[in-house]
Amino acid sequence: GAVVSQHPSWVICKSGTSVKIECRSLDFQATTMFWYRQFPKQSLMLMATSNEGSKATYEQGVEKDKFLINHASLTLSTLTVTSAHPEDSSFYICSASVPHPSTVNTGELFFGEGSRLTVL
Amino acid sequence: KNEVEQSPQNLTAQEGEFITINCSYSVGISALHWLQQHPGGGIVSLFMLSSGKKKHGRLIATINIQEKHSSLHITASHPRDSAVYICAVESPLGGNQFYFGTGTSLTVIP
Repeated sequence: GAVVSQHPSWVICKSGTSVKIECRSLDFQATTMFWYRQFPKQSLMLMATSNEGSKATYEQGVEKDKFLINHASLTLSTLTVTSAHPEDSSFYICSASVPHPSTVNTGELFFGEGSRLTVL
Repeated sequence: KNEVEQSPQNLTAQEGEFITINCSYSVGISALHWLQQHPGGGIVSLFMLSSGKKKHGRLIATINIQEKHSSLHITASHPRDSAVYICAVESPLGGNQFYFGTGTSLTVIP
Protein backbone atom coordinates (compact mmCIF):
# COMPACT_ATOMS: atom_id res chain seq x y z
CA GLY A 1 0.00 0.00 0.00
CA ALA A 2 0.91 3.64 -0.22
CA VAL A 3 3.27 5.07 2.38
CA VAL A 4 2.87 8.33 4.25
CA SER A 5 5.72 9.54 6.39
CA GLN A 6 5.43 12.08 9.16
CA HIS A 7 8.26 13.95 10.83
CA PRO A 8 9.14 14.47 13.59
CA SER A 9 7.63 11.64 15.62
CA TRP A 10 8.24 13.44 18.89
CA VAL A 11 8.82 17.10 19.58
CA ILE A 12 9.17 19.01 22.81
CA CYS A 13 9.23 22.78 22.69
CA LYS A 14 8.98 25.77 24.94
CA SER A 15 5.81 27.81 25.19
CA GLY A 16 5.73 30.58 22.60
CA THR A 17 7.82 28.82 19.98
CA SER A 18 6.57 27.47 16.67
CA VAL A 19 6.76 23.86 15.58
CA LYS A 20 6.56 22.48 12.05
CA ILE A 21 5.37 18.97 11.29
CA GLU A 22 5.89 17.47 7.85
CA CYS A 23 3.73 14.93 6.10
CA ARG A 24 5.06 13.28 2.96
CA SER A 25 3.51 10.80 0.58
CA LEU A 26 6.47 8.65 -0.41
CA ASP A 27 5.28 6.67 -3.39
CA PHE A 28 2.24 8.46 -4.71
CA GLN A 29 0.97 11.93 -5.40
CA ALA A 30 -1.56 13.11 -2.86
CA THR A 31 -3.75 15.90 -4.08
CA THR A 32 -5.54 15.90 -0.74
CA MET A 33 -4.03 15.57 2.71
CA PHE A 34 -5.79 15.73 6.03
CA TRP A 35 -4.56 16.85 9.42
CA TYR A 36 -5.98 15.46 12.64
CA ARG A 37 -5.50 16.00 16.32
CA GLN A 38 -6.01 13.37 18.96
CA PHE A 39 -6.13 13.85 22.71
CA PRO A 40 -5.47 10.88 25.04
CA LYS A 41 -8.19 8.26 24.96
CA GLN A 42 -10.18 10.22 22.42
CA SER A 43 -10.85 9.66 18.78
CA LEU A 44 -9.44 11.58 15.87
CA MET A 45 -10.54 15.13 15.33
CA LEU A 46 -10.19 16.43 11.80
CA MET A 47 -8.50 19.82 11.85
CA ALA A 48 -8.21 20.70 8.20
CA THR A 49 -8.23 19.44 4.66
CA SER A 50 -5.28 20.45 2.55
CA ASN A 51 -5.40 20.53 -1.23
CA GLU A 52 -2.22 20.98 -3.23
CA GLY A 53 -1.78 24.50 -4.47
CA SER A 54 -4.71 26.01 -2.62
CA LYS A 55 -5.60 27.21 0.84
CA ALA A 56 -6.50 24.62 3.42
CA THR A 57 -10.09 24.20 4.54
CA TYR A 58 -10.28 24.36 8.32
CA GLU A 59 -12.89 22.68 10.48
CA GLN A 60 -15.06 24.77 12.71
CA GLY A 61 -13.26 25.83 15.85
CA VAL A 62 -9.75 25.35 14.46
CA GLU A 63 -7.78 28.59 14.34
CA LYS A 64 -6.21 28.97 10.92
CA ASP A 65 -3.71 31.54 12.18
CA LYS A 66 -2.65 29.16 14.93
CA PHE A 67 -2.33 26.06 12.81
CA LEU A 68 -0.74 27.03 9.50
CA ILE A 69 -1.03 24.44 6.76
CA ASN A 70 0.96 24.52 3.57
CA HIS A 71 0.58 22.01 0.74
CA ALA A 72 3.02 23.31 -1.83
CA SER A 73 3.64 20.05 -3.66
CA LEU A 74 1.81 16.83 -4.39
CA THR A 75 3.97 14.93 -1.91
CA LEU A 76 4.37 17.34 0.99
CA SER A 77 2.07 19.10 3.40
CA THR A 78 3.23 20.88 6.54
CA LEU A 79 1.44 21.87 9.72
CA THR A 80 2.99 24.66 11.74
CA VAL A 81 1.76 25.21 15.28
CA THR A 82 2.52 28.86 15.88
CA SER A 83 3.22 30.32 19.31
CA ALA A 84 2.59 26.96 20.89
CA HIS A 85 1.10 26.74 24.37
CA PRO A 86 0.79 23.76 26.72
CA GLU A 87 -2.83 23.26 25.66
CA ASP A 88 -1.57 22.58 22.13
CA SER A 89 0.18 19.47 23.42
CA SER A 90 -1.40 16.61 21.53
CA PHE A 91 -0.88 13.85 18.99
CA TYR A 92 -1.03 15.24 15.45
CA ILE A 93 -1.65 12.88 12.56
CA CYS A 94 -1.80 13.38 8.83
CA SER A 95 -3.35 11.27 6.16
CA ALA A 96 -3.30 11.34 2.41
CA SER A 97 -5.73 9.89 -0.02
CA VAL A 98 -5.27 8.06 -3.26
CA PRO A 99 -7.99 9.63 -5.33
CA HIS A 100 -10.52 7.69 -7.32
CA PRO A 101 -11.32 9.94 -10.27
CA SER A 102 -14.41 7.94 -11.17
CA THR A 103 -16.15 8.45 -7.81
CA VAL A 104 -16.99 11.27 -5.48
CA ASN A 105 -15.12 9.56 -2.68
CA THR A 106 -11.91 10.96 -1.35
CA GLY A 107 -10.38 7.54 -1.73
CA GLU A 108 -8.57 5.18 0.57
CA LEU A 109 -6.75 6.91 3.38
CA PHE A 110 -3.13 6.32 4.30
CA PHE A 111 -1.92 7.66 7.61
CA GLY A 112 1.36 9.00 8.83
CA GLU A 113 2.87 7.65 12.02
CA GLY A 114 1.80 10.68 13.99
CA SER A 115 3.72 13.42 15.79
CA ARG A 116 3.50 13.81 19.53
CA LEU A 117 3.89 17.43 20.54
CA THR A 118 4.64 18.44 24.11
CA VAL A 119 4.73 22.13 24.91
CA LEU A 120 6.42 23.00 28.17
CA LYS B 1 -25.32 14.23 19.20
CA ASN B 2 -22.53 12.45 17.39
CA GLU B 3 -22.94 11.81 13.70
CA VAL B 4 -21.17 8.47 14.15
CA GLU B 5 -21.86 6.10 17.03
CA GLN B 6 -19.78 3.01 17.70
CA SER B 7 -20.45 0.11 19.99
CA PRO B 8 -19.16 -1.32 22.14
CA GLN B 9 -16.70 1.24 23.48
CA ASN B 10 -14.57 -1.45 25.05
CA LEU B 11 -14.39 -5.12 24.24
CA THR B 12 -12.37 -7.95 25.77
CA ALA B 13 -12.33 -11.30 24.03
CA GLN B 14 -10.58 -14.63 24.34
CA GLU B 15 -8.25 -15.63 21.57
CA GLY B 16 -10.16 -17.37 18.82
CA GLU B 17 -13.46 -15.64 19.44
CA PHE B 18 -15.52 -14.05 16.70
CA ILE B 19 -15.74 -10.31 17.24
CA THR B 20 -18.22 -7.76 15.95
CA ILE B 21 -17.91 -4.00 16.21
CA ASN B 22 -20.85 -1.87 15.16
CA CYS B 23 -21.06 1.59 13.64
CA SER B 24 -24.21 3.64 13.08
CA TYR B 25 -24.28 7.03 11.41
CA SER B 26 -26.85 9.71 10.87
CA VAL B 27 -25.58 11.59 7.81
CA GLY B 28 -25.67 10.75 4.15
CA ILE B 29 -22.36 9.29 3.16
CA SER B 30 -20.27 8.64 0.09
CA ALA B 31 -17.98 6.19 1.87
CA LEU B 32 -17.31 4.60 5.24
CA HIS B 33 -13.83 3.83 6.52
CA TRP B 34 -12.74 1.37 9.18
CA LEU B 35 -9.43 2.31 10.78
CA GLN B 36 -7.18 0.47 13.20
CA GLN B 37 -5.03 2.35 15.68
CA HIS B 38 -2.36 0.45 17.59
CA PRO B 39 -1.17 1.48 21.07
CA GLY B 40 1.80 3.32 19.62
CA GLY B 41 -0.58 5.60 17.75
CA GLY B 42 -0.07 4.42 14.19
CA ILE B 43 -3.25 4.21 12.16
CA VAL B 44 -3.99 1.83 9.34
CA SER B 45 -6.93 1.99 7.02
CA LEU B 46 -8.61 -1.41 7.02
CA PHE B 47 -11.51 -0.87 4.68
CA MET B 48 -13.19 1.78 2.64
CA LEU B 49 -16.65 0.78 1.50
CA SER B 50 -19.76 2.35 0.12
CA SER B 51 -21.92 -0.74 -0.29
CA GLY B 52 -22.06 -4.44 0.40
CA LYS B 53 -19.23 -6.31 1.98
CA LYS B 54 -15.47 -6.53 1.84
CA LYS B 55 -13.13 -9.18 3.20
CA HIS B 56 -9.44 -9.06 3.88
CA GLY B 57 -7.94 -12.05 5.64
CA ARG B 58 -9.76 -12.52 8.93
CA LEU B 59 -11.47 -9.15 8.70
CA ILE B 60 -14.88 -8.59 7.17
CA ALA B 61 -16.68 -5.28 6.83
CA THR B 62 -20.29 -4.87 5.85
CA ILE B 63 -22.45 -1.85 5.28
CA ASN B 64 -26.21 -1.37 4.99
CA ILE B 65 -26.83 2.01 3.41
CA GLN B 66 -30.58 1.94 4.05
CA GLU B 67 -30.10 1.27 7.74
CA LYS B 68 -27.03 3.54 7.99
CA HIS B 69 -25.11 0.83 9.74
CA SER B 70 -21.81 -0.93 9.30
CA SER B 71 -20.16 -3.81 11.10
CA LEU B 72 -16.56 -4.90 11.36
CA HIS B 73 -16.06 -8.59 12.07
CA ILE B 74 -12.87 -10.31 13.14
CA THR B 75 -12.81 -14.08 12.84
CA ALA B 76 -10.49 -16.24 14.94
CA SER B 77 -9.30 -13.24 16.93
CA HIS B 78 -5.67 -13.05 18.01
CA PRO B 79 -3.87 -10.94 20.62
CA ARG B 80 -2.24 -8.95 17.84
CA ASP B 81 -5.73 -7.74 16.89
CA SER B 82 -5.75 -5.74 20.13
CA ALA B 83 -6.15 -2.13 19.05
CA VAL B 84 -8.64 0.69 18.81
CA TYR B 85 -10.96 0.39 15.85
CA ILE B 86 -12.41 3.61 14.50
CA CYS B 87 -15.33 4.06 12.17
CA ALA B 88 -15.25 7.17 9.99
CA VAL B 89 -17.78 8.32 7.44
CA GLU B 90 -17.25 10.60 4.55
CA SER B 91 -20.16 12.86 3.72
CA PRO B 92 -20.36 14.65 0.39
CA LEU B 93 -22.05 17.62 2.05
CA GLY B 94 -19.74 20.59 2.43
CA GLY B 95 -17.12 19.06 0.17
CA ASN B 96 -16.41 15.65 1.66
CA GLN B 97 -16.74 16.17 5.38
CA PHE B 98 -15.37 13.47 7.67
CA TYR B 99 -17.03 12.34 10.89
CA PHE B 100 -15.32 9.97 13.30
CA GLY B 101 -16.64 7.54 15.85
CA THR B 102 -15.11 7.51 19.31
CA GLY B 103 -13.49 4.16 18.69
CA THR B 104 -13.79 0.66 20.10
CA SER B 105 -10.93 -0.53 22.24
CA LEU B 106 -10.40 -4.24 21.67
CA THR B 107 -8.28 -6.46 23.88
CA VAL B 108 -7.79 -10.08 22.88
CA ILE B 109 -6.53 -12.26 25.70
CA PRO B 110 -4.38 -15.31 24.89
